[in-house]
Amino acid sequence: GAGVSQTPSNKVTEKGKYVELRCDPISGHTALYWYRQSLGQGPEFLIYFQGTGAADDSGLPNDRFFAVRPEGSVSTLKIQRTERGDSAVYLCASSPYPGNEQFFGPGTRLTVL
Amino acid sequence: SQQGEEDPQALSIQEGENATMNCSYKTSINNLQWYRQNSGRGLVHLILIRSNEREKHSGRLRVTLDTSKKSSSLLITASRAADTASYFCATAPGGAQKLVFGQGTRLTINP
Repeated sequence: GAGVSQTPSNKVTEKGKYVELRCDPISGHTALYWYRQSLGQGPEFLIYFQGTGAADDSGLPNDRFFAVRPEGSVSTLKIQRTERGDSAVYLCASSPYPGNEQFFGPGTRLTVL
Repeated sequence: SQQGEEDPQALSIQEGENATMNCSYKTSINNLQWYRQNSGRGLVHLILIRSNEREKHSGRLRVTLDTSKKSSSLLITASRAADTASYFCATAPGGAQKLVFGQGTRLTINP
């Protein structure tokens, strides 16, 4: 079956702009996660959804970052007033239920100029 | 902050040899997972070992877990060029659902 998909695969924007990154999880997976990975580092947790609600948003770096999952499936990560330090690969993962293995998408490479 | 630390940071071996990577973590866990990543993009789940398990096998992969030492190892036997990738251990500390990753081991298999 189809895996986790993320769009766009690459996004180049200018400092101060607003961006939205989309994640389509595997059908039926109730848990959805966002991570951010900088070059040479492991992924860092941003936020976790169980169904429609954000069960853990402790990894969001500041209030410029926000994520939604209004129907419990597709999720959008929103970044306001982007900064050069936001440049990274943003990874989405889903899981059939919490605590199980997570299936990752290919990521969105965000570059802020 | 990073929970796990992989060792070594980089490993280069000849095709056919075995590769061993180690991971240490800091807090109590429910399970520990190993992932592979090619070319800095999506991660592929390799194996999950629960806190009450000591060893697990999957094909050419063997994972051990020592909760008393808060450490795990990943052994890849009979390595192939296609095994070239970065390998990460990840834990879910304290029953949390999020995964906390180490910095990874960059493995290079030379033909």
